[in-house]
Amino acid sequence: QVQLVQSGAEVKKPGASVKVSCEASGYIFADYYMHWVRQAPGQGLEWMGWIHPNSGDTRYAQQFQGRVTLTRDTSISTAYMDLSTLTSDDTAVYFCTRDGPGDIIPEDYWGQGTLVTVSS
Amino acid sequence: EIVLTQSPDTLFLSPGERATLSCRASQSINSRYFAWYQQKPGQAPRLLIYGTSSRATGIPDRFSGSGSGTDFILTINRLEPEDFAVYYCLYYGDSLRAFGQGTKVEIK
Repeated sequence: QVQLVQSGAEVKKPGASVKVSCEASGYIFADYYMHWVRQAPGQGLEWMGWIHPNSGDTRYAQQFQGRVTLTRDTSISTAYMDLSTLTSDDTAVYFCTRDGPGDIIPEDYWGQGTLVTVSS
Repeated sequence: EIVLTQSPDTLFLSPGERATLSCRASQSINSRYFAWYQQKPGQAPRLLIYGTSSRATGIPDRFSGSGSGTDFILTINRLEPEDFAVYYCLYYGDSLRAFGQGTKVEIK
């Protein structure tokens, strides 16, 4: 069965960077786009960007351009989200989520989420 | 940039009633790339509807979606206790994603 397992909670100081990992299993990692979505406490969902694991191609939401970097290691079926210059506004749960099959089904499998807390 | 606006923010209903949730796009969108998600506290979102009206795997038929252009609707017939949650619409065309701000369905 498809599983996305994310790394554990992080506490960071303002100005620092954080890297969250997402290990995929149960499917061919290289074949499906991986997206990252975050959710601040009590707030809605915010899309950050995607990476295609096969090519390494990426696309980022405008509000994160220059601050987020998505990478992957296909040898271990793992995607990474790196967010720099953190502020308290970046305190959120970060989800990785796999694109669905074909182009009509959107994200159908989600990681469990990783809480990133930014605090001095 | 496409902006999705959901209404109402909160819907107070009783089990057994029908819920009608709305999502309006800031410009006409391709209905092929419109979806609805359900999220419960402490959980990741779950895909309910894709392509405006197709139910995802395992989703009961009391959930239905409709719409075109700029206006889309999620209908939940005969609310079950487990349906009280937050619902998000999503546009996923043009290699981008845009979520609505969410509608919370609460028990009256």
